[in-house]
Amino acid sequence: GAGVSQSPRYKVAKRGQDVALRCDPISGHVSLFWYQQALGQGPEFLTYFQNEAQLDKSGLPSDRFFAERPEGSVSTLKIQRTQQEDSAVYLCASSMGQGVGANVLTFGAGSRLTVL
Amino acid sequence: GENVEQHPSTLSVQEGDSAVIKCTYSDSASNYFPWYKQELGKRPQLIIDIRSNVGEKKDQRIAVTLNKTAKHFSLHITETQPEDSAVYFCAAIRGGSNYKLTFGKGTLLTVNP
Repeated sequence: GAGVSQSPRYKVAKRGQDVALRCDPISGHVSLFWYQQALGQGPEFLTYFQNEAQLDKSGLPSDRFFAERPEGSVSTLKIQRTQQEDSAVYLCASSMGQGVGANVLTFGAGSRLTVL
Repeated sequence: GENVEQHPSTLSVQEGDSAVIKCTYSDSASNYFPWYKQELGKRPQLIIDIRSNVGEKKDQRIAVTLNKTAKHFSLHITETQPEDSAVYFCAAIRGGSNYKLTFGKGTLLTVNP
């Protein structure tokens, strides 16, 4: 697609519910990232995929967070047993992964999660 | 790991004035420094970037300077316009990796007409 698409844009969950956030990166982009952005803060790295391989998940806050990209395109970030501190905007970004544009990230509009 | 400090956290200028936002980074191996603009409720958008082999880069009213010795880089916006109002984030690639961006906490720029 022309840009990075994320859905849902807004999600309200009750504490303890599971949520799934979807990211559709730019077609052909090898690298995919998930970032968490708390209110008034900069994005914080969560995890990184190169094609279908999850090469770095060091930023995931707990084992309740899980991400996958099974076919090397669409990715899903799943949060189990949501807690109030999970409330944030979850940003997906993709990049070509090689060449001059290797580090140039294009972000999606984000999924705003509110846990009540 | 990498640490990026950004200041000021808020900046208010009159239309037509210049605005400068400064960032420092901790890891001397960092080699890529992008700036993102984020309007309220929207996605961060890349506005300019600089690599460590260059000291300055300019794109119309926007410029970025890099001082590798001091480990700081700055965003300069000249002839500011109300549509420049947004949150600006600096970022740096962590040393030892070529993919993980570390962001500053952001600067809320307000351009008053």
